[in-house]
Amino acid sequence: DTGVSQNPRHKITKRGQNVTFRCDPISEHNRLYWYRQTLGQGPEFLTYFQNEAQLEKSRLLSDRFSAERPKGSFSTLEIQRTEQGDSAMYLCASSSAVGQLFSYEQYFGPGTRLTVT
Amino acid sequence: AQKVTQAQTEISVVEKEDVTLDCVYETRDTTYYLFWYKQPPSGELVFLIRRNSFDEQNEISGRYSWNFQKSTSSFNFTITASQVVDSAVYFCALSEANTGTASKLTFGTGTRLQVTL
Repeated sequence: DTGVSQNPRHKITKRGQNVTFRCDPISEHNRLYWYRQTLGQGPEFLTYFQNEAQLEKSRLLSDRFSAERPKGSFSTLEIQRTEQGDSAMYLCASSSAVGQLFSYEQYFGPGTRLTVT
Repeated sequence: AQKVTQAQTEISVVEKEDVTLDCVYETRDTTYYLFWYKQPPSGELVFLIRRNSFDEQNEISGRYSWNFQKSTSSFNFTITASQVVDSAVYFCALSEANTGTASKLTFGTGTRLQVTL
């Protein structure tokens, strides 16, 4: 039983470039979440999907950010025209809201650390 | 709006000492869920426990115990006989029930626990 995986684990980019991160949730989980964590802070919610539907987006998610989960499995988070303030750890989590697999807790991946220079 | 406060930024103890990590929360919902996560130096958030707002029973799991008190909006975490491997950042989190299921997590700022020999 594999956990949540994220790729890449580290990304260094220059200001103004676009970046895309991928998250593969636990296979039976239909809910997928994105969070952002900066140094010394707790994770902050960005958005979440149930299957392929994006059900909620945080005000933190500016127009430069877009997330997709086209087939209800893996998800991508894209940041356009990156800024230095985007430097953070981007965390993905998944949970199940279905039948016997229902779980309130979210299971996190190892994160993608983004550095914008 | 929901909020989680972890007033202790950093705690240092000597191995075998008991330590309590404090968590105070705010929510307008009558149904909500509380969580503790551990983030070791490797960075991946590890789920420890979930409590439901309608279940105030305290819980013990090995050296870990949790004290949930609705009257004071607190959900404190005690590690008995601490060990060096307990060194990590610990996060308390809250999720308000939404359509009967838990959704996004609101995290506190975390407490860094350092256990030394």
